[in-house]
Amino acid sequence: QLVETGGGLIQPGGSLRLSCAASGFIVSSNYMSWVRQAPGRGLEWVSVIYGGDNTYYADSVKGRFTISRDSSKNTLYLQMTSLRVEDTAVYYCVRGGRLARFDYWGQGTLVTVSS
Amino acid sequence: DIQMTQSPSTLSASVGDRLTITCRATQSISDWLAWYQQKPGRAPKLLIYKASSLQSGVPSRFSGSGSGTEFTLTISSLQPDDFATYYCQQYNSYSLTFGGGTKVEIK
Repeated sequence: QLVETGGGLIQPGGSLRLSCAASGFIVSSNYMSWVRQAPGRGLEWVSVIYGGDNTYYADSVKGRFTISRDSSKNTLYLQMTSLRVEDTAVYYCVRGGRLARFDYWGQGTLVTVSS
Repeated sequence: DIQMTQSPSTLSASVGDRLTITCRATQSISDWLAWYQQKPGRAPKLLIYKASSLQSGVPSRFSGSGSGTEFTLTISSLQPDDFATYYCQQYNSYSLTFGGGTKVEIK
């Protein structure tokens, strides 16, 4: 099970950290990704972490978002800075990545960037 | 980045119909292709992985095929629970990408 928290309303230029608590498997032993979905739009992969803290980012968030994990808490994070209106979306925490299917999804947390 | 193109974007169908959705990649992804079903307000659900492998618990009316750059999702006999939006996804590269989605509507 994956449970995301941390979403909310934030002004443009602001920062927010999303958390994703996992149960039933070990976050640090799996590829873990963030996927987002803007209102009425399709799915967009955002970032992945795997192995010894290797990370990849979509071009749209590179340099602004940071994915990380805490093994002691079995939790995945997404630190978002310099937020833009176009970052408004439901953010999903997902188990999966390159060559690893996205088999477990969280319920999603809504991030709204607006003044 | 690898781009994924789904067709059609919308499909009107009736219960019992056989449906086929197509997904094309801009370069070969071998068989690293997954299909997801999403209903309004819900997280996506994995249906098919590795192009043709059925995820545990998914009804056998769903099937996938293809390799390289062309893939299909087939629903052999559409059921009321199947009206939803379907996405393909390539997971061959570190930069993963989804198709734009196919909305299956009631005719």
